[in-house]
Amino acid sequence: QKEVEQDPGPLSVPEGAIVSLNCTYSNSAFQYFMWYRQYSRKGPELLMYTYSSGNKEDGRFTAQVDKSSKYISLFIRDSQPSDSATYLCAMVSTSGTYKYIFGTGTRLKVLA
Amino acid sequence: DAGITQSPRHKVTETGTPVTLRCHQTENHRYMYWYRQDPGHGLRLIHYSYGVKDTDKGEVSDGYSVSRSKTEDFLLTLESATSSQTSVYFCAISESADRGDQPQHFGDGTRLSIL
Repeated sequence: QKEVEQDPGPLSVPEGAIVSLNCTYSNSAFQYFMWYRQYSRKGPELLMYTYSSGNKEDGRFTAQVDKSSKYISLFIRDSQPSDSATYLCAMVSTSGTYKYIFGTGTRLKVLA
Repeated sequence: DAGITQSPRHKVTETGTPVTLRCHQTENHRYMYWYRQDPGHGLRLIHYSYGVKDTDKGEVSDGYSVSRSKTEDFLLTLESATSSQTSVYFCAISESADRGDQPQHFGDGTRLSIL
């Protein structure tokens, strides 16, 4: 079992829809949770990060962490064609040794 | 955008030849990383550096070596390239190794094809 699981998609939605992207993980030592967006032929760019459990909102994006279920989500409201990209979750352990794990990414297509 | 430049951006070479990829940063961050990204595997860490001349292996380090002689430059070398090393290579930088509030920032990658 991988430490981080992420559905590869593709996920196709109409413009204006609410998008839900998710990751599950197995390592309870993860404390920081990030979401990166990657456009085709570009490097991943950081969208948001959260520490421990809870919600964090930034414009149309909301990140949610449920540590009891080992489940994180990214919600995109009023999705736009420009949101079409691959979304990667990432997690960091603070257990003392280097531990930075990325999900394999979910490909999102927002149709105009 | 974080000041990260990868060169070359594209390279095609033959099996058995040496290849060096360069990552240059202008942020003065302590940590630098090399990843490869392949379909179905996501980003996998090859090597990372925590300071000048200080490097360590990642999960897929076989066949790769790195060097960091200056804070701003991190080189990845394939001593004798194989077809299995065809991939997209990303460099990343960060101020901290284990804090999400000081996360990794990525360059735009090098597409390497080994024929």
